[in-house]
Amino acid sequence: QSVLTQPPSVSAAPGQKVTISCSGSSSNIGNNYVSWYQQLPGTAPKLLIYDNNQRPSGIPDRFSGSKSGTSATLGITGLQAGDEADYYCGTWDSSLNNYWLFGGGTKLTVL
Amino acid sequence: EVQLVESGGGLVKPGGALRLSCAASGFTFSDAWMSWVRQAPGKGLEWVGRITSKSDGGAADYAAPVKGRFTISRDDSENTLYLEMDSLKSEDTAVYYCTRQLTRFDYWGQGTLVTVSS
Repeated sequence: QSVLTQPPSVSAAPGQKVTISCSGSSSNIGNNYVSWYQQLPGTAPKLLIYDNNQRPSGIPDRFSGSKSGTSATLGITGLQAGDEADYYCGTWDSSLNNYWLFGGGTKLTVL
Repeated sequence: EVQLVESGGGLVKPGGALRLSCAASGFTFSDAWMSWVRQAPGKGLEWVGRITSKSDGGAADYAAPVKGRFTISRDDSENTLYLEMDSLKSEDTAVYYCTRQLTRFDYWGQGTLVTVSS
């Protein structure tokens, strides 16, 4: 069981919008930047969102991120078949052990 | 173009050892903090550990499941990151990725598969 909680799966039709939540605590999300990663089947993860809401160059503005308190959200609009993937949130945990956490991952299905 | 290329994976018996390498190019490796992240078959991502740049102390931190068994090191003259794995267990079976770390992991290698099995 991950310290960062994500829904195991979400689904929506092409063209629709979907959101994926990531819930943590004050020692992780509450006091650190959140990033999001997309992992297409059989490939390495790819950075989608960093520092809560910033997009790396080349990431379309259909992808957005936000953070409020101890939760973060990834939003994807204008869903495409190619968006079908696993999505992970991640952040540091600044408790005594100071380690990186990933959420358990969310499988996005484009219906 | 940034490239991270892992190598050294393979089949090893429980209790055995293995060293993974990650060759970096396209950025100033000596300035970078680097991490290893693994993914067991059909499972999610798990952070293994990280090493800071030498100018920031060159210290390594590890996740609890691997602490005391795994060692991360770097050779800045060769632009290479290493992961020494000892006392391997079946639960260490995973694809191991090396990644550059800022406040996020912005570049990832393609991964190398480590299988621990008798």
